[in-house]
Amino acid sequence: KNQVEQSPQSLIILEGKNCTLQCNYTVSPFSNLRWYKQDTGRGPVSLTIMTFSENTKSNGRYTATLDADTKQSSLHITASQLSDSASYICVVHSSNDYKLSFGAGTTVTVRA
Amino acid sequence: ETGVTQSPTHLIKTRGQQVTLRCSSQSGHNTVSWYQQALGQGPQFIFQYYREEENGRGNFPPRFSGLQFPNYSSELNVNALELDDSALYLCASSLGVGEAFFGQGTRLTVV
Repeated sequence: KNQVEQSPQSLIILEGKNCTLQCNYTVSPFSNLRWYKQDTGRGPVSLTIMTFSENTKSNGRYTATLDADTKQSSLHITASQLSDSASYICVVHSSNDYKLSFGAGTTVTVRA
Repeated sequence: ETGVTQSPTHLIKTRGQQVTLRCSSQSGHNTVSWYQQALGQGPQFIFQYYREEENGRGNFPPRFSGLQFPNYSSELNVNALELDDSALYLCASSLGVGEAFFGQGTRLTVV
């Protein structure tokens, strides 16, 4: 069964600080990995999408890394802002599957 | 704005009733996937429609059914609602297995 595990489940950081979220997956064969930001009660919004050959991708203050050999990804948030408070979901797509495999998400709370 | 719209945004239903949720996909997209997201959980795949045909289904009972129309918009129907059906229902549109864009979701509460 394809699985996506995220850690930590939640974290609290002070405004201006950095944080790193982790994603481990067992999805195979691998096609791409996506990080989404989901505000409470809203639909997920794409931050980054990475294929097998990409090991880092940035979107503003968000930087995602991918190690396809160890099947691990991370999302680094730099200089956090209050608006970064949200759930961050790791999503993996298998090249022989029609659906996406979602992690449970990491809830980030940024405090002033 | 992702170009994917869902309606209604919120609704409350009574156990045993039926509900229809709607999704308008982004222009140019031919694939719509539906997900159920319980509070504090990641989205769970319900089913996917590709060019008006069901293209795959998750572990949901037959009382969850759907349609995709020629304009690629879609409906999710749930019969005989149960309390556990209370969740955020997300629709995602894509061009085949390309990048998926999500709507804002429909919050369903079953009482």
